Amino acid sequence: DIQLTQSPSSLSASVGDRVTIACQASQDIKNYLNWYQQKPGKPPQLLIYDASSLEPGVPSRFSGSGSGTDFTFTISSLQPEDIATYYCQQYDFLPPYAFGQGTKLEIK
Amino acid sequence: QVQLVQSGAEVKKPGASVKVSCKASGYTFTSFGISWVRQAPGQGLEWMGWISGYNGKTKYAQKFQDRVTMTTDTSTNTAYMQLRSLKSDDTAVYYCARDDGRDMVGVFQHWGQGTLATVSS
Repeated sequence: DIQLTQSPSSLSASVGDRVTIACQASQDIKNYLNWYQQKPGKPPQLLIYDASSLEPGVPSRFSGSGSGTDFTFTISSLQPEDIATYYCQQYDFLPPYAFGQGTKLEIK
Repeated sequence: QVQLVQSGAEVKKPGASVKVSCKASGYTFTSFGISWVRQAPGQGLEWMGWISGYNGKTKYAQKFQDRVTMTTDTSTNTAYMQLRSLKSDDTAVYYCARDDGRDMVGVFQHWGQGTLATVSS
């Protein structure tokens, strides 16, 4: 099975900071990677698909990049409402659709 | 608008089964598949399996292969997930999520609100 390793597992940043989360796949998954945001008590919300495509309605401060095994998720200017846990998820090798272990983002 | 409305919280004893429903609206049910994803308290997301809304074909994660059954009722646009032989570590929130196509795609734009299943003696 494909393994996804996210780093860091937690992150504290200030409003306005640029925030970056990494996701590494154990095998080449081309660009078949999604990024989700999950707030407490809520289901995940799709932010980025195909590694770098912004889901309609998602603010442009969110972006994704990468291909193959190394991917990056970026928030260009952190806002208070961005406090959440972020997950990467691969959909190249089936099954299962593996998720990363998550990155908990907090305000400093 | 697309909505996935799940059934309410459940409390089960070890060894019992739980069946969670996911009623879809706002789209053509048979044109998309449904995946089930669970999340144990304070933990990450775990994909359990997928079912076609078109023909009921299923694909389960190996971990759950022997204990899970996913079904659909196209007359009511509802998907079901039944997990048997429950253990305490099956305590989790169970989500349904619409896949982005009739076949397995793996992009989940729409999610149910989640159903908490608690396994306790």
